[in-house]
Amino acid sequence: DAGVIQSPRHEVTEMGQEVTLRCKPISGHNSLFWYRQTMMRGLELLIYFNNNVPIDDSGMPEDRFSAKMPNASFSTLKIQPSEPRDSAVYFCASSGLVGLYNEQFFGPGTRLTVL
Amino acid sequence: DQQVKQNSPSLSVQEGRISILNCDYTNSMFDYFLWYKKYPAEGPTFLISISSIKDKNEDGRFTVFLNKSAKHLSLHIVPSQPGDSAVYFCAASASGTYKYIFGTGTRLKVLA
Repeated sequence: DAGVIQSPRHEVTEMGQEVTLRCKPISGHNSLFWYRQTMMRGLELLIYFNNNVPIDDSGMPEDRFSAKMPNASFSTLKIQPSEPRDSAVYFCASSGLVGLYNEQFFGPGTRLTVL
Repeated sequence: DQQVKQNSPSLSVQEGRISILNCDYTNSMFDYFLWYKKYPAEGPTFLISISSIKDKNEDGRFTVFLNKSAKHLSLHIVPSQPGDSAVYFCAASASGTYKYIFGTGTRLKVLA
């Protein structure tokens, strides 16, 4: 298995531009998580999908952030418009049965720099 | 409000010695705890976990200790190896929830 795949690995953009981050979870996993890693706050959960349905988006910083999961094998996290404070590493993770303490498998992350 | 705290941002240890990484939590509902390890330019990978019904879990060189009354857990690595140099994240979860609450991480450097 290729594991969780994220693209792009690095993104540099200018303030005000739209940014789209992509994720392909592990086949057969029904839960998908988007995290953001910063020095100050560590790994923060942004949004959680179960069976392609957003269950908890309380971690999404503001309306500039949106996430979709159109099918079981693909998810996007969009920032529009982007701001310098959005610069961080964004991780996607997937897991099998939730609630049974199943391990979350993380992708390699997308390092976003907003100038 | 950080529910999971790793108060040491970094730690340096000599090869062969013990590394002890600490984690404190505030939410008494947490009953499952994990450690993830992260190398540069990679995603975090699961290392070891412990349920609140135990106070110790061992896997090779890695042991996690849980002190529920103090709301404290620690990860011991014995003996430490240069390949253990990474950022270690502590995480906590409560029964019936999907959320893992992560700490800010501790960067371990094992010196050869």
